Amino acid sequence: GAGVSQSPSNKVTEKGKDVELRCDPISGHTALYWYRQRLGQGLEFLIYFQGNSAPDKSGLPSDRFSAERTGESVSTLTIQRTQQEDSAVYLCASSLAPSAEQFFGPGTRLTVL
Amino acid sequence: TQLLEQSPQFLSIQEGENLTVYCNSSSVFSSLQWYRQEPGEGPVLLVTVVTGGEVKKLKRLTFQFGDARKDSSLHITAAQPGDTGLYLCAGENSNSGYALNFGKGTSLLVTP
Repeated sequence: GAGVSQSPSNKVTEKGKDVELRCDPISGHTALYWYRQRLGQGLEFLIYFQGNSAPDKSGLPSDRFSAERTGESVSTLTIQRTQQEDSAVYLCASSLAPSAEQFFGPGTRLTVL
Repeated sequence: TQLLEQSPQFLSIQEGENLTVYCNSSSVFSSLQWYRQEPGEGPVLLVTVVTGGEVKKLKRLTFQFGDARKDSSLHITAAQPGDTGLYLCAGENSNSGYALNFGKGTSLLVTP
C-alpha cells in the first residue's frame, strides 16, 4: 500500500502484560513519529526517529514505554507492564524529511482491562 | 508545554449553516496546521499557515492565522454532511523540533 500501515488495528490486553505495536511507514520516508490519542483528547507526542540519528524520546511518559526502528523502515512501540491508563489509540506518522508533512496511519486501539 | 486550546469542543449543525472553530495559545508558533480526523483513521492535513495575518482558502474552508501567530481560526461556509469529523490544530513542539503539539480538537457533526 501507499500509506502508513499499523498493526494490529485493535489490541485488548490484561493489566500487567506487555504489548508490541507495529508501524510500517511510507517507503522512502526518513522521519517516523509515534503519538498517543486518549479518548476525547488531542494527540500526545511520544517519540521521533530520523534516519540513523538517536531517537528523540522526550515524549515517552514512563520507562515502561520504548520504541525501536530498523533503519528507515518498520518501527515497533513496546509497552511493558501495561496499565489501564495506557488505553488509547496509538498513531504512527512518517514524513519525507523532518519538517515535511506528516502522514498518519489508522492507529492501533489499545484497551487494557 | 505549548498548550493549544480549541473551541468549541463539540458542534452540531444542520447542512447549509456556517461555522467557525478556534485554536488559541499564549505561545507564538512559527506555523500552525489544521487536520481533519474521521473515526478509525489518522488525521489528514488540511492546511499549514505560516505568516501572521495569513488567510488560506480550501474550497468552502477558510483558515486564518492571527497577526501575533498565537491563534488561528477555521471557517466553514455552507457545511455539508461530508464535513463531519474531528478538526485538530497543531503547532511545533518546543521540546522536539519536528514533532507536533495538538489541541484537543473540535468534533463537528453536520446533519442533513
